[in-house]
Amino acid sequence: EPEVTQTPSHQVTQMGQEVILRCVPISNHLYFYWYRQILGQKVEFLVSFYNNEISEKSEIFDDQFSVERPDGSNFTLKIRSTKLEDSAMYFCASTLTQRTTNTGELFFGEGSRLTVL
Amino acid sequence: GESVGLHLPTLSVQEGDNSIINCAYSNSASDYFIWYKQESGKGPQFIIDIRSNMDKRQGQRVTVLLNKTVKHLSLQIAATQPGDSAVYFCAENQRGSYIPTFGRGTSLIVHP
Repeated sequence: EPEVTQTPSHQVTQMGQEVILRCVPISNHLYFYWYRQILGQKVEFLVSFYNNEISEKSEIFDDQFSVERPDGSNFTLKIRSTKLEDSAMYFCASTLTQRTTNTGELFFGEGSRLTVL
Repeated sequence: GESVGLHLPTLSVQEGDNSIINCAYSNSASDYFIWYKQESGKGPQFIIDIRSNMDKRQGQRVTVLLNKTVKHLSLQIAATQPGDSAVYFCAENQRGSYIPTFGRGTSLIVHP
């Protein structure tokens, strides 16, 4: 069964450093998302991406964050100048359509845990 | 502000019992609702969804009920199994948006 894969599974970084989280969405999917989950809290939307551009973003997704689809398979989240409060699990998700014919189900990866020291 | 929330943070049941997980939403502009299951160390997994023009939808061992009058959503799991132990999130899409907004989550613990 196709799945969304994320790397690394866990990254530890020093405050102020830049990190790049990588995702390989399901191959025929067109819409890509990043969510984050601070430990024990709810899953929060960061950004959605379609047709090589950001389609929606939340208040959390400020200038510190950027996304890119550098090739036909990878979807990356870059966090510049990391802060302690960026420590969280970051989930990538993808979907084929956006509620046009299907359920709109998002397929999530297993997440990348970011720890900022 | 308006948000999606859950009544119970933790629900403990015995194996074989039926489970009911509740969710209240306050945004009347929401027209699509989803239940996700998150097992420990994994990403959320879609369980079932329902559109606002329906009040009930059934899947395999799961049923979602939507009461738009009181803005309430529930997930019923029949014959709960230990493998159902997880955190369950309800999520909503506001009309015109394709972005699910997640609630806080309910932890379901199934005792053998």
